[in-house]
Amino acid sequence: EIVLTQSPGTLSLSPGESVTLSCRASQTVSTNYLAWYQQTPGQAPRLLIYDASRRATGIPDRFSGSGSGTDFTLTISRLEPEDFAVYFCQQYATSLTFGQGTKVEIK
Amino acid sequence: EVQLVESGGGLVKPGGSLRLSCAATGFTFNSYHMTWVRQAPGKGLEWVSSISSSGSYIFYVDSVKGRFTTSRDNAENFLHLQMDSLTAEDTGLYFCTRARGYVSGPQPIFYFDHWGRGALVTVSS
Repeated sequence: EIVLTQSPGTLSLSPGESVTLSCRASQTVSTNYLAWYQQTPGQAPRLLIYDASRRATGIPDRFSGSGSGTDFTLTISRLEPEDFAVYFCQQYATSLTFGQGTKVEIK
Repeated sequence: EVQLVESGGGLVKPGGSLRLSCAATGFTFNSYHMTWVRQAPGKGLEWVSSISSSGSYIFYVDSVKGRFTTSRDNAENFLHLQMDSLTAEDTGLYFCTRARGYVSGPQPIFYFDHWGRGALVTVSS
């Protein structure tokens, strides 16, 4: 099983700032089969990025994904109030596993 | 508009059973693989089970194998999760999701582009 470790656990930021979230895999995620989701309190997760860097339909271009192998990142430029949420990564190269999440909170 | 609406959650005693359903609208249901993902209170996400578009291939996380059964009704556009021998560790919010990707031999290669709001399952005496 591929274990995904997200860091940091929590980030405190202000609107307008930019942030980069990390997702590290315990082994290579082949074909860059990695997705990112956003979850706000009381809501279902929303797909942001798939195949490591492809934005899902309707996702603003301030969200971008990159990485390969075992190291992946999600960058949010110019945080909007609605971006304060928990972000999960998920790999789908070998079985299906999620990271434990990174919370982006308002400073 | 794609909509996934779960039902059937509730409180059940350890060892009991529950059946979740997910009504799918706004897309051609029989063309898409489907998946259940759960979230324990205050915790992260865990893949539970997937079923291929035709229902020919079904996959489970090890912790539910032999206890949970996933099925689909492509005529009525429903996804189901029959949960037996429930334990406290099965407590959580169960999301119905539409999966994108493909089946590769013995495993699903899926990410999830649409999610329902979830059905709460509480296993407690």
